[in-house]
Amino acid sequence: RKEVEQDPGPFNVPEGATVAFNCTYSNSASQSFFWYRQDCRKEPKLLMSVYSSGNEDGRFTAQLNRASQYISLLIRDSKLSDSATYLCVPGSARQLTFGSGTQLTVLP
Amino acid sequence: NAGVTQTPKFQVLKTGQSMTLQCAQDMNHEYMSWYRQDPGMGLRLIHYSVGAGITDQGEVPNGYNVSRSTTEDFPLRLLSAAPSQTSVYFCASSYGGYEYGYTFGSGTRLTVV
Repeated sequence: RKEVEQDPGPFNVPEGATVAFNCTYSNSASQSFFWYRQDCRKEPKLLMSVYSSGNEDGRFTAQLNRASQYISLLIRDSKLSDSATYLCVPGSARQLTFGSGTQLTVLP
Repeated sequence: NAGVTQTPKFQVLKTGQSMTLQCAQDMNHEYMSWYRQDPGMGLRLIHYSVGAGITDQGEVPNGYNVSRSTTEDFPLRLLSAAPSQTSVYFCASSYGGYEYGYTFGSGTRLTVV
């Protein structure tokens, strides 16, 4: 079983749509959680940290369920610029473990 | 503030050649890591460092060496290049390790023929 499981997509959504990504992780010792975005042939960039109580940053909402070892990302009012691959990243013991990502394309 | 700088951006090597991928950061970050990214796979950790003089192996260390003589620099050495090492290599640094997330360099695209 992979340490981090993500639906690879692609998710093709129209501008203005709401889209949700899910992720499960297998390492119960994971202590920190992040969502990164990666544009085609570019480096990953930190989108947001994920806290136990859930957190929001503008149009982005992240949720964490430690009992189910499940992380989610919700994007509201999608923009063309949101097109990217979204990487789920749990961290533990000085290391981050990257999922292979979910590809999102926002269509005009 | 340049962030994390990787050189070269592109490299073609012949099987058996050795080379060093350079990584430098100007943010005074203690934590630095090297990842490789292959198509359809997540980034995989090669080696990491939690400070000058301290390095450790990640998930896929075979065929690679690192050293950390200064806080700023964390070079990755390929000892004898193999086609299986064709990949995109990312260097990353962090203020405090996994709790704070990492800042990535723009990557080195390596092809071994």
